[in-house]
Amino acid sequence: EAGVAQSPRYKIIEKRQSVAFWCNPISGHATLYWYQQILGQGPKLLIQFQNNGVVDDSQLPKDRFSAERLKGVDSTLKIQPAKLEDSAVYLCASSLGRESSYNEQFFGPGTRLTVL
Amino acid sequence: KQEVTQIPAALSVPEGENLVLNCSFTDSAIYNLQWFRQDPGKGLTSLLLIQSSQREQTSGRLNASLDKSSGRSTLYIAASQPGDSATYLCAVLPGNTGKLIFGQGTTLQVKP
Repeated sequence: EAGVAQSPRYKIIEKRQSVAFWCNPISGHATLYWYQQILGQGPKLLIQFQNNGVVDDSQLPKDRFSAERLKGVDSTLKIQPAKLEDSAVYLCASSLGRESSYNEQFFGPGTRLTVL
Repeated sequence: KQEVTQIPAALSVPEGENLVLNCSFTDSAIYNLQWFRQDPGKGLTSLLLIQSSQREQTSGRLNASLDKSSGRSTLYIAASQPGDSATYLCAVLPGNTGKLIFGQGTTLQVKP
């Protein structure tokens, strides 16, 4: 079974530039998550999709971050404009569903973003 | 507000030792708890998931326990090997909504 795919793996940009990350979840997984992991910390949820609808974006900095999941499969996360503090690993995860019995989350390899 | 704490932040042991990693959470109303492994520069690999109604789960040399009433979980690694060197993260599901709350992780080094 193929895992969660993410690209690119690494990205270096200057502050105020824009960047986009792509995620392809495990086939059949209805729920998709984007997490931000700052060095030395645990991941923090940015946004959660159920199929193609947003169910939790309470911790997404909406003035600069946006995300979409068209057709309920692939997802993109965009940052515009980037700030120095956005330097982190961006992890995508998916699960069969949101309820606890279906909520074993599987993670992709992440995208390491460096903002200079 | 749910908070998850992992102690110690780092641990170094000689190969072959049995060891315990600790995870505590402030609100006992959780739906499940997951232990993950993260290798440098890599994503998270799910090791064990314990539903709230369960007390423990085992996979090979790994055993995870859950005590909801005291807000604690432990990950026991038997006969540690250098290949076990990684950061171990625990995460709780505080509601039936999918949002995991993570601890900061314990970085384990197993010396040959």
